[in-house]
Amino acid sequence: KQEVTQIPAALSVPEGENLVLNCSFTDSAIYNLQWFRQDPGKGLTSLLLIQSSQREQTSGRLNASLDKSSGRSTLYIAASQPGDSATYLCAANSGGSNYKLTFGKGTLLTVNP
Amino acid sequence: ETGVTQTPRHLVMGMTNKKSLKCEQHLGHNAMYWYKQSAKKPLELMFVYSLEERVENNSVPSRFSPECPNSSHLFLHLHTLQPEDSALYLCASSQGAYNEQFFGPGTRLTVL
Repeated sequence: KQEVTQIPAALSVPEGENLVLNCSFTDSAIYNLQWFRQDPGKGLTSLLLIQSSQREQTSGRLNASLDKSSGRSTLYIAASQPGDSATYLCAANSGGSNYKLTFGKGTLLTVNP
Repeated sequence: ETGVTQTPRHLVMGMTNKKSLKCEQHLGHNAMYWYKQSAKKPLELMFVYSLEERVENNSVPSRFSPECPNSSHLFLHLHTLQPEDSALYLCASSQGAYNEQFFGPGTRLTVL
């Protein structure tokens, strides 16, 4: 059974700092891994999707990496801004016929002006 | 409308009520999902429909009943819920099992 862990549970940084959010998964046989952002009381916004054959994906100030063998993914946010404050979730897709994404509990990020 | 929409956005119901949540996707996807998000817990997959057929039922109590009349619409029918069913219910869609999932804004459900 796939389990996804995100560390830290919460992070507070000053504006402008570069930061890294961590995601680990127990079953390395994943098809892809997806990072999401969730604002309070809102739905999820997809940020990046990394296929199992890829090492990283970039979108603007965001860079996500994937190391299947070690069961880890990181989300790097450059030059953080107060608008980046949200909960960041990672989810592993183990493929197969069950369409299932296994989510971590998320990292609550606060960027202070 | 674009993306994935959900109605209502907020719902308060008694334990004896019957209500339905609606989800519509405008992305041309062929798979739709219901998730439950409770405080302090990871998102839990409830149901998956692919090409309008249910392909996953993640041990969800029968008081939750999904319906997928076509590839663009998904419903979650609720009856005799319990207070512990209060949560944010999220709908998502994707093109196949292996592609990016796109989420709606959710319905905040409170069961009194």
